Amino acid sequence: QKEVEQNSGPLSVPEGAIASLNCTYSDRGSQSFFWYRQYSGKSPELIMFIYSNGDKEDGRFTAQLNKASQYVSLLIRDSQPSDSATYLCAVNPPNTGGFKTIFGAGTRLFVKA
Amino acid sequence: SAVISQKPSRDICQRGTSLTIQCQVDSQVTMMFWYRQQPGQSLTLIATANQGSEATYESGFVIDKFPISRPNLTFSTLTVSNMSPEDSSIYLCSVTDGTLNQPQHFGDGTRLSIL
Repeated sequence: QKEVEQNSGPLSVPEGAIASLNCTYSDRGSQSFFWYRQYSGKSPELIMFIYSNGDKEDGRFTAQLNKASQYVSLLIRDSQPSDSATYLCAVNPPNTGGFKTIFGAGTRLFVKA
Repeated sequence: SAVISQKPSRDICQRGTSLTIQCQVDSQVTMMFWYRQQPGQSLTLIATANQGSEATYESGFVIDKFPISRPNLTFSTLTVSNMSPEDSSIYLCSVTDGTLNQPQHFGDGTRLSIL
């Protein structure tokens, strides 16, 4: 089992819709969770982080964490074509001392105009 | 967050040669990391660059192939040695402030192609 699993996609949504990206992780003791956006040919850019169960909202983005289910998600409201990118879920598992980050393979998102 | 500069941004190299990639940060940082991202793949951690001591390498990566220097808290280099086409990849440095469970921030990356 991979430490961080994501559906590779592509996920295609129409402009203005909600895009829902999902991620599961294997180490139940993980404490910190991140979402990065990576445009083609660019480096990953941090867009959200979450540490506690529940929802965290920042503009059009909402991160959701359910530690009991070992599940993290990212919702993008009012999706725009500029949101088309690969979204990487990342986790700092405790067996790395809390400093190393394990990345999922990423989900490719296409927002159709 | 810190501004991270990587050089070169891209290069095309002959097999058997070596290339050194530089990572410069505009502020002192505790933790610096080097990643590889092969085409269509996610990020794989190569090593943690430790200031004043040898880097800590992940399984599958060795110092002879990927020597790393970290002379101070703002600078690190990664050398890709004796390159082969399988080393064609994007190489990324990242930093954190050293506090537990903080996110990493990435440089722009070095796109390396080996002929």
